[in-house]
Amino acid sequence: GAVVSQHPSWVICKSGTSVKIECRSLDFQATTMFWYRQFPKQSLMLMATSNEGSKATYEQGVEKDKFLINHASLTLSTLTVTSAHPEDSSFYICSAPGTSGRAPNFGPGTRLTVT
Amino acid sequence: EDQVTQSPEALRLQEGESSSLNCSYTVSGLRGLFWYRQDPGKGPEFLFTLYSAGEEKEKERLKATLTKKESFLHITAPKPEDSATYLCAVQGPSGGYQKVTFGIGTKLQVIP
Repeated sequence: GAVVSQHPSWVICKSGTSVKIECRSLDFQATTMFWYRQFPKQSLMLMATSNEGSKATYEQGVEKDKFLINHASLTLSTLTVTSAHPEDSSFYICSAPGTSGRAPNFGPGTRLTVT
Repeated sequence: EDQVTQSPEALRLQEGESSSLNCSYTVSGLRGLFWYRQDPGKGPEFLFTLYSAGEEKEKERLKATLTKKESFLHITAPKPEDSATYLCAVQGPSGGYQKVTFGIGTKLQVIP
């Protein structure tokens, strides 16, 4: 199956700063990638769909100006959390879509802590 | 709107004590139901895909089954290394992209 990597695996930043998380597809070309957020003891929540060569599609309630997504190439999507606040502290996970009903494959996740 | 409900939220088993995890779902046109295992601080690891009622999949001590309204993940003679959170997810009609809806998961602890 598709192999997805993320970098960094964890990051601590100060409130008000911006943090960039990278998601790479290692063995395939991805025109679409998905970004999820997972709070403790909660389900994975889809934040946005990253589209290569076009704007990302955001889920309802997700601020597009705060969570900037760039899908610069067929192997790289980035999520930038701008002006981070403690409430943005979470586990961020990207995934590559499955095709024709096949299961998506997930990256290892990035733990963001905003102090 | 697609919905996934998993039960129980937490399950503690003795090593060797078989049990089942439940995933109830509501989706308009199921394209696939997925089971994942998630260890603390890691991304979900794919286990099974089920497509239609009556389908079953097996892998080692795990067996997944599917009906029109729910799926079960049966764990036979579990070992401590099976301790993890098990996530169920469904994929409905794409509507332009392949959205997957997750349940909250069942946190399984297997005691030696």
